[in-house]
Amino acid sequence: ETGVTQTPRHLVMGMTNKKSLKCEQHLGHNAMYWYKQSAKKPLELMFVYSLEERVENNSVPSRFSPECPNSSHLFLHLHTLQPEDSALYLCASSQDGDSPLHFGNGTRLTVT
Amino acid sequence: GENVEQHPSTLSVQEGDSAVIKCTYSDSASNYFPWYKQELGKRPQLIIDIRSNVGEKKDQRIAVTLNKTAKHFSLHITETQPEDSAVYFCAARWGGSNYKLTFGKGTLLTVNP
Repeated sequence: ETGVTQTPRHLVMGMTNKKSLKCEQHLGHNAMYWYKQSAKKPLELMFVYSLEERVENNSVPSRFSPECPNSSHLFLHLHTLQPEDSALYLCASSQDGDSPLHFGNGTRLTVT
Repeated sequence: GENVEQHPSTLSVQEGDSAVIKCTYSDSASNYFPWYKQELGKRPQLIIDIRSNVGEKKDQRIAVTLNKTAKHFSLHITETQPEDSAVYFCAARWGGSNYKLTFGKGTLLTVNP
């Protein structure tokens, strides 16, 4: 049990589809993150929410839209993605901005 | 922003040997340096971290050293075991934002029995 649960584990979508990734944390943390992990690249921070307020938006294209309805749930809405968006999308949480990250198992996204 | 360089990209050692992975960072204001281990198909997991007011930290077979002057930090694994085989990521927290953790590209460590 990781404490951070992501669904789905795998997702294949066409470029015209709309889909959403879901993340839930059971650790009582105040901050939640979306990271993108591509082969041979560092983990890239996409978005950070602290107490449901977005505190970081790392120049991510508008086809990715985050939503944080409460401190336990985080979504990433996907719309008209490109094949280069295929990657592992990792959700993480932390107690605050100065604490270690706890990652979920990720969603493996393939855009066809 | 912060830039983190990690070397080597791959490392192969014999069981029982030591392994060392090195990272450099660019922002002298960075003050937090974690290391994550990611096994194949699994999530990254924190294995050890160090803050800028400490030069070395040890946890059983794992140690991390920090040289603030040179802006580099290293992960040391002693008496390696096959289950240590994984990708290891270093990271640095940029002084301008407590939330923004910048990662290195990772080191694939293989421990041969």
